[in-house]
Amino acid sequence: QVQLVQSGAEVKKPGASVKVSCKASGYTFTSYGISWVRQAPGQGLEWMGWISAYNGNTNYAQKLQGRVTMTTDTSTSTAYMELRSLRSDDTAVYYCARVVGRTVVTFLEDWGQGTLVTVSS
Amino acid sequence: EIVLTQSPGTLSLSPGERATLSCRASQSVSSSYLAWYQQKPGQAPRLLIYGASSRATGIPDRFSGSGSGTDFTLTISRLEPEDFAVYYCQQYGSSLTFGPGTKVDIK
Repeated sequence: QVQLVQSGAEVKKPGASVKVSCKASGYTFTSYGISWVRQAPGQGLEWMGWISAYNGNTNYAQKLQGRVTMTTDTSTSTAYMELRSLRSDDTAVYYCARVVGRTVVTFLEDWGQGTLVTVSS
Repeated sequence: EIVLTQSPGTLSLSPGERATLSCRASQSVSSSYLAWYQQKPGQAPRLLIYGASSRATGIPDRFSGSGSGTDFTLTISRLEPEDFAVYYCQQYGSSLTFGPGTKVDIK
């Protein structure tokens, strides 16, 4: 079965960077994309961006352009999301999700368990 | 950017009742590229519906989606105790955006 296993919780200071990993199994990694979605405490879902595991193309939410980088390591079927210049309002649970389709962003079929990132001085 | 609006914000119903959730887009969603997700407290979202009306794998047939253009609906024909949750719509016709969610709670 499809599994997306994310790295553990992080606590960071304002201005620092965080890198969250998402290890995929149970499917052909390069046949799908990975999206990252975050959810601040008590709030709704915010799409952060998408990366094609097929060709590495990315599409980032305009709000995060310049602060976020998404990458994949096809040798280990792992996706990464790095967020820089962290602020307190980046405190959230960060999810990775498998995107149906290799080269376009579509719906999110399977989700990781989430990674809590806390930004606090 | 396509903005999605969901109504009502909260829906208070009893088990066995019918739930009708609305999702409206600020502009037409091409090819009915709209999905619905369910999220329970402390859990990741779960895909229910894609392509406006296609049920995801393993989703019971009491969940159905309909609509096109700018107006979409998720219907739960008879609420089961496990259906009380927050529901989000998401469009993928132009980049990707989520609606703010509708909470279905027990009356």
